[in-house]
Parts: sequence; structure tokens; C-alpha cells
Amino acid sequence: SQTIHQWPATLVQPVGSPLSLECTVEGTSNPNLYWYRQAAGRGLQLLFYSVGIGQISSEVPQNLSASRPQDRQFILSSKKLLLSDSGFYLCALSKGVGEAFFGQGTRLTVV
Amino acid sequence: GESVGLHLPTLSVQEGDNSIINCAYSNSASDYFIWYKQESGKGPQFIIDIRSNMDKRQGQRVTVLLNKTVKHLSLQIAATQPGDSAVYFCAENPGGGADGLTFGKGTHLIIQP
Repeated sequence: SQTIHQWPATLVQPVGSPLSLECTVEGTSNPNLYWYRQAAGRGLQLLFYSVGIGQISSEVPQNLSASRPQDRQFILSSKKLLLSDSGFYLCALSKGVGEAFFGQGTRLTVV
Repeated sequence: GESVGLHLPTLSVQEGDNSIINCAYSNSASDYFIWYKQESGKGPQFIIDIRSNMDKRQGQRVTVLLNKTVKHLSLQIAATQPGDSAVYFCAENPGGGADGLTFGKGTHLIIQP
């Protein structure tokens, strides 16, 4: 069965520092991959999605970027973090129209 | 704004009672809907889904109802247990493709002993 690995689970970073969150998947090939952000007590906001290697679509303009260097790897990055980048970041995969499977998330606190 | 929303942010029910969580959506082209359960500090877990060619689907202790006329989705949980305490999100796939799900704000279900 497919699994999603996200790390780290928690992260505290100073304002202005860079960010790299990694998501890797197992047990599937050619998945659609997603990065969502969840603010405290709120719903999930789609940030980026990718249908294949090197293919990234951005849903909202922001201080973040994403890359997909390999089929099963999805990376969320920032060159300089802002306080407003704090949140719970979730990686997800799907195989077309259907449910999305989520990783366990990374809680980012920018201080 | 969001195309999927929930009527109540918090719902409190007695253990053993049935609970109903509601969701409204605005995109009439959406053809696939999902309910997720999210426990504190964890990623959302799939509960049940329904396609637009159905109006009801049942799982173990859960039932999803879809009313396309009024664009309304509900999740019924029978005989609630303490482990049902979580935030529940409805989600839709408005594009019908790879461009991800749109989530509602969530309802926090609290099970009272």
C-alpha cells in the first residue's frame, strides 16, 4: 500500500531563514502530489500540485516554491521565511480523480 | 472565497448518540466529494466518499448523503464513540482532475461522556 513520508514533524525557524520540507512516497508510481497548508483551527489551503517530474502548478502567490526532482519526491521551499509562513504543512498524493492520501504533516513555527 | 463550507464550527454530542455534520458547496460541476477526519496534530484521514451520480453511501457507522439540488452534503455518524472526537472536513474535486481538492473549514466534533 502507498505511504507518504514527511519530515521533519516539527520545525522552528527564524524569520528570514530558508526552508526545505521534503515529502517522499512509496508504494505507487506517477502519483499526483500536493502541498497543503493549514493555519491553526482552519481548513486546508492548496499551495502547489504536480502531475509529474518537473511539473509544478501554483494555486496561490506566496513566499514559497515547490519542486519535483523525482517521481516520488516533492519539496517545498522558501528562500526567506516570513512570520505568516507558520502553519501545518501537509503533503498528499492522489491517483487521478479520487481521494487524496495525506502524510502526517510538518508543523512550522517561524519566530 | 471557498466553494465548500460548513454550517457549524463545533458540534457536541453525547457518547452513543448519532451525529450529523453538514456541508454546503457552491460548484455545481463538482462530481466527487469526500469526508475526512483529522485528529489533533495528524494529517486528515479518509472516511468516505461519494460521486455525484449517487445520493447516499454507507460505510461502517458512517453514511454520507448528497443533495445536488441544494448543493448539500452531510456525514452521519452512528453510535458515536470517544474516538470519533476530531475535526471533520468535507472536500470536493471541482475540476474533476488532478488540480486537488477544495476543503471546507471543518467541524470540531466533541463526544461528551
